[in-house]
Amino acid sequence: ETGVTQSPTHLIKTRGQQVTLRCSSQSGHNTVSWYQQALGQGPQFIFQYYREEENGRGNFPPRFSGLQFPNYSSELNVNALELDDSALYLCASSNRDLGQNTEAFFGQGTRLTVV
Amino acid sequence: GDSVTQMEGPVTLSEEAFLTINCTYTATGYPSLFWYVQYPGEGLQLLLKATKADDKGSNKGFEATYRKETTSFHLEKGSVQVSDSAVYFCALSVKAAGNKLTFGGGTRVLVKP
Repeated sequence: ETGVTQSPTHLIKTRGQQVTLRCSSQSGHNTVSWYQQALGQGPQFIFQYYREEENGRGNFPPRFSGLQFPNYSSELNVNALELDDSALYLCASSNRDLGQNTEAFFGQGTRLTVV
Repeated sequence: GDSVTQMEGPVTLSEEAFLTINCTYTATGYPSLFWYVQYPGEGLQLLLKATKADDKGSNKGFEATYRKETTSFHLEKGSVQVSDSAVYFCALSVKAAGNKLTFGGGTRVLVKP
């Protein structure tokens, strides 16, 4: 196990609703990145938080937002859910202060289904 | 922008066969290269990495060599086991992009006894 935990593991929401996903980073890590993995595809970068500030964002609309807390845990919020938001959401924890090649540790993901 | 292209699966092999999964990349800077593995129902695990040209990453019998001249990072294993059945992702990160990972589409590997 990586020490990165995500909750919930599975979630079913209705189109138009809002959802909050949570990620607890590994001890000693200050950076959390979120990825969306649609079925049968590779993960796509949503955004990254470093020391409580957003530090890079992928090609996702503003209804995808996030937070990082002083303990470096993080939330991903998605408003006005659409059917295409159905995916596995992964968070990855790392310590960016260690440089480019530091390993990112992934949680097991939250499977979101929008109906 | 940065991108990763890997061979599509599924790849079906018999136990003890040789495995190769091709991966090529384009990057705006000097990337670090990674292979991740995803077992059914689980998140991603780092399999191996290489940070500069001609470096060879290796782990659990898997190997990949960073080829800058061909912008490739092909994954190989000489003798696969049933337990190697998984989805394999090639990825890169560039420091200027904040170390975000850019992934390929994944290659599903099925090893039959």
